[in-house]
Amino acid sequence: GESVGLHLPTLSVQEGDNSIINCAYSNSASDYFIWYKQESGKGPQFIIDIRSNMDKRQGQRVTVLLNKTVKHLSLQIAATQPGDSAVYFCAENRGNSGGSNYKLTFGKGTLLTVNP
Amino acid sequence: DADVTQTPRNRITKTGKRIMLECSQTKGHDRMYWYRQDPGLGLRLIYYSFDVKDINKGEISDGYSVSRQAQAKFSLSLESAIPNQTALYFCATSATSTPRGRGANEQFFGPGTRLTVL
Repeated sequence: GESVGLHLPTLSVQEGDNSIINCAYSNSASDYFIWYKQESGKGPQFIIDIRSNMDKRQGQRVTVLLNKTVKHLSLQIAATQPGDSAVYFCAENRGNSGGSNYKLTFGKGTLLTVNP
Repeated sequence: DADVTQTPRNRITKTGKRIMLECSQTKGHDRMYWYRQDPGLGLRLIYYSFDVKDINKGEISDGYSVSRQAQAKFSLSLESAIPNQTALYFCATSATSTPRGRGANEQFFGPGTRLTVL
């Protein structure tokens, strides 16, 4: 079936280490992916996005990697800080087929905990 | 994000009651969405609207209704609340086009409404 899921529901890292959060998707028609960060008591906030014609995209301390061959997406956070502690969601947009280019399908989320 | 506001932020109600959750946005976006978040299930789309008077069902619309009274307002109603509708509800908005070429995909979320149905 079609799904967006995560390999690890929780991730605990030490402050200063790099973090890698993974996401698997099954719909080969997906053409756009977003990572969201949700802090406790708040709504999800955009972190970084990537289109399917790219393999890698970098932001400030974050990098998203897309492997279309195995339908895998990852978010890398460099020098993780306590303020990075949150739930991280990947979301996919399934392209223009059937007029569904306005909807995002979210994964279940990974809880990242940064230990001082 | 202060551009998308939700009221109330918390609500406790009883089974069978009618509940309305409000969402307002000052971003000038055409598109608005209502999601439900449950532990371990992520965000699931309830309803979405492309413009005033445009209403579309999401994946879990049963038991809910919506109204798009104006471009800036999108309300979600539970006609007869039941305990399994206890969840965190988020409103989101998106534009037809945005800076940096992200298009209509990026959605901006409100702070959420925590609803408890007893």
